[in-house]
Amino acid sequence: QVQLQESGPGLVKPSEALSLTCSVSGGSISRHYWSWIRQPAGRGVEWVGRIYSTRITNFNPSLRSRVSMSLDTSKNQISLRLTSVTAADTAIYYCAREPGLGLFDPWGQGILVIVSS
Amino acid sequence: EIVMTQFPATLSASPGERATLSCRASESVGYNLAWYQHRPGQAPRLLIYGASTRATGIPARFSGSGSETEFTLTIRSLQSEDFAVYYCQQYSNRPPLTFGGGTRVDIK
Repeated sequence: QVQLQESGPGLVKPSEALSLTCSVSGGSISRHYWSWIRQPAGRGVEWVGRIYSTRITNFNPSLRSRVSMSLDTSKNQISLRLTSVTAADTAIYYCAREPGLGLFDPWGQGILVIVSS
Repeated sequence: EIVMTQFPATLSASPGERATLSCRASESVGYNLAWYQHRPGQAPRLLIYGASTRATGIPARFSGSGSETEFTLTIRSLQSEDFAVYYCQQYSNRPPLTFGGGTRVDIK
């Protein structure tokens, strides 16, 4: 059974970069697309972007200029980097597998990231 | 981007009752519609995809219907574990992938 666990700093200063890691167990990241999704407090769920094992990426146009993703197949991890963060980037960040393009299953538990000085 | 609208925002119901949740897309997404359940403190869970196909392990009391722009999630005979927030999400060919604002199902 595939399980995902997000990790990273819970507090990031404005204008700095947010970096998160998603560790995958029970399956290889060399298959499927892997997505990051976030939910700011009191707001809707927002798809951030995805990466495939070939390093192909797709990003939400609203974040494209600030987001990057990478894979470490030796560690079975997916990483997210979001630059120039502001308070609007404060959210719970989830990673999820895409068993079929555009579907998310399973999800990680999520990690709360607060942007504040 | 395709905007997904869910209603009602909150639905109060008693255990054993039927719950009907609605989701509307701003343009046609065909049958490319999924539903997720999100219980507090847990990871969101895929319930339905292809508008009406239950994901693995999802009880038969959950059913989905609809196409194009109008979709419905029905929970027949609510159980205590069903009180949660439910999101619809479209995965049509037009990125970005987008979610509805959610419907909270509360215990009456």
